[in-house]
Amino acid sequence: EIVLTQSPGTLSLSPGERATLSCRASQSVSSSYLAWYQQKPGQAPRLLIYGASSRATGIPDRFSGSGSGTDFTLTISRLEPEDFAVYYCQQYGDSPWTFGQGTKVEIK
Amino acid sequence: EVQLVESGGGLVKPGGSLRLSCAASGFTFSSYSMNWVRQAPGKGLEWVSSISSSSSYIYYADSVKGRFTISRDNAKNSLYLQMNSLRAEDTAVYYCLKSGYGSYYFDYWGQGTLVTVSS
Repeated sequence: EIVLTQSPGTLSLSPGERATLSCRASQSVSSSYLAWYQQKPGQAPRLLIYGASSRATGIPDRFSGSGSGTDFTLTISRLEPEDFAVYYCQQYGDSPWTFGQGTKVEIK
Repeated sequence: EVQLVESGGGLVKPGGSLRLSCAASGFTFSSYSMNWVRQAPGKGLEWVSSISSSSSYIYYADSVKGRFTISRDNAKNSLYLQMNSLRAEDTAVYYCLKSGYGSYYFDYWGQGTLVTVSS
């Protein structure tokens, strides 16, 4: 099973700042099959990025994904008030599909 | 518009059974793999099970293997999760998810249904 470790656990930033979230895999993720999701309190998660760097439909271009192999990054170029949430990475290259434990982006 | 509506959650005693359903609309259901993911209260996301478009391929997390059964009815645009031998640690919100085409990332999520296992 591929274990995904996200860091930091919590990121305290102000609106307008840049957020950089990390997702590290215990072994190489096949074909960069890595996705990122955003979850706000009381809501279901929403797909942001798939294939490590492809934005999902309707996702603003301030969200970008990068990386390959075992190291992946989600970057939010300029935080908007609605971006404060929990973010999860997920690998879907090898079953069982696994999620990271999440990074909370909170308002500083 | 893609819609996924789960039903069937509730309170059940340890060792009991429950069947979750997911009604799908707004896309060609028979063309996509479908999935269940759960989230225990205050915790992260845990993948539970996936089923391919024609039910040829089925996958389970080790934590539910042998107790849960995923199935689908393409004629009814519906996904199911039969949960037997339920344990307290199965308590969670269960989400029905549509896969991206030919893959197992999750591009649409239902709002979830709460399953509580308690005596």
